[in-house]
Amino acid sequence: GAGVSQSPSNKVTEKGKDVELRCDPISGHTALYWYRQSLGQGLEFLIYFQGNSAPDKSGLPSDRFSAERTGGSVSTLTIQRTQQEDSAVYLCASSLDVNEQFFGPGTRLTVL
Amino acid sequence: GNSVTQMEGPVTLSEEAFLTINCTYTATGYPSLFWYVQYPGEGLQLLLKATKADDKGSNKGFEATYRKETTSFHLEKGSVQVSDSAVYFCALSDPFGGGFKTIFGAGTRLFVKA
Repeated sequence: GAGVSQSPSNKVTEKGKDVELRCDPISGHTALYWYRQSLGQGLEFLIYFQGNSAPDKSGLPSDRFSAERTGGSVSTLTIQRTQQEDSAVYLCASSLDVNEQFFGPGTRLTVL
Repeated sequence: GNSVTQMEGPVTLSEEAFLTINCTYTATGYPSLFWYVQYPGEGLQLLLKATKADDKGSNKGFEATYRKETTSFHLEKGSVQVSDSAVYFCALSDPFGGGFKTIFGAGTRLFVKA
């Protein structure tokens, strides 16, 4: 079956613009996660969705960041008024349980 | 709160050398522990896991033992290959304390020379 997919694979934007990043999880996976990986850094947790529960937004770095998951499937991460420090690879993962997460290829965001 | 600390890299070894990448954790509950690997140009993938104390996870010649007394989950391999060059991430999830949320370490880059 298909794995986790993300789009776009690369996004270049100007400072101050809004961007939307999309994640299509593996069908049937109840949990969906967003992480940020900056150059040379580890994975920074941003947000996760679990079934119909309220999302855990504790990792979002500012109120410019938001995410939604429609119909328990596709998720969109939105960054408003992008800043240069937002440049990073944004990773999405999904899982069926706590034992393994399946990662997408990531979206590389560059803010000029 | 929960946290993971792993040794800083990069680690550079010659082929067939012994590998250890240290990982220690802090958790309020009874976490599951993981090692993920990111090969050059590829996405992260699970390498091995252990879900309770004294469990040993193993895969592709790598091993890690869940040590509750030392709160550690060190990754080892007896003889590394050039193809093991990658970034390795230690991680934990705490189903009872943190739900599905997973905390990752900063990653350790491994270079293996032929």
